[in-house]
Amino acid sequence: GAGVSQSPSNKVTEKGKDVELRCDPISGHTALYWYRQSLGQGLEFLIYFQGNSAPDKSGLPSDRFSAERTGGSVSTLTIQRTQQEDSAVYLCASSLVTSAYNEQFFGPGTRLTVL
Amino acid sequence: QKEVEQNSGPLSVPEGAIASLNCTYSDRGSQSFFWYRQYSGKSPELIMFIYSNGDKEDGRFTAQLNKASQYVSLLIRDSQPSDSATYLCAPTTGDTGRRALTFGSGTRLQVQP
Repeated sequence: GAGVSQSPSNKVTEKGKDVELRCDPISGHTALYWYRQSLGQGLEFLIYFQGNSAPDKSGLPSDRFSAERTGGSVSTLTIQRTQQEDSAVYLCASSLVTSAYNEQFFGPGTRLTVL
Repeated sequence: QKEVEQNSGPLSVPEGAIASLNCTYSDRGSQSFFWYRQYSGKSPELIMFIYSNGDKEDGRFTAQLNKASQYVSLLIRDSQPSDSATYLCAPTTGDTGRRALTFGSGTRLQVQP
């Protein structure tokens, strides 16, 4: 079916506001990842979900960032009290854990701008 | 030292030439290596992966891996303007408990018509 989808594609918010970013992985993919990409930079890992296991949150930059994954499918990344340095493209990826190698398929991203 | 090092470029090559993109990594436990291509304003897409020492060819692309030297490269033969993009290197240990990829910052390739 369809690839990884993300919404919204663009989000402009004011400093101090909370935002929610949504990711819908490829059907059947049990692993889901969030990355962040600042302008001209590489991808920075944020958080990883796999099935019912506890998520790997080791990449979250501060406690203002949190994510959840409901029903093993859709995931929401929440940023509270946004700061200007949070401005970036937030990318979601999914993969089949049973794959012999970990090919990750990326969504189109959400471009977040904090004014 | 960064975990994954790539020359940021831009690497400029004429159309039809061979483009050589290089990547070094610090984690000796890395088992698989991915090359992603990212067009400006787009999300990354996987173009090659390699897990054995030596060369792996796929069409105009050849990935080369030397685990002893902790070095992986991507060669693009007969470069086309449509190959102009940023190429991201991502090694992984394959550890199921930590399957996120660590990406290099990427090399920007410009193929001149």
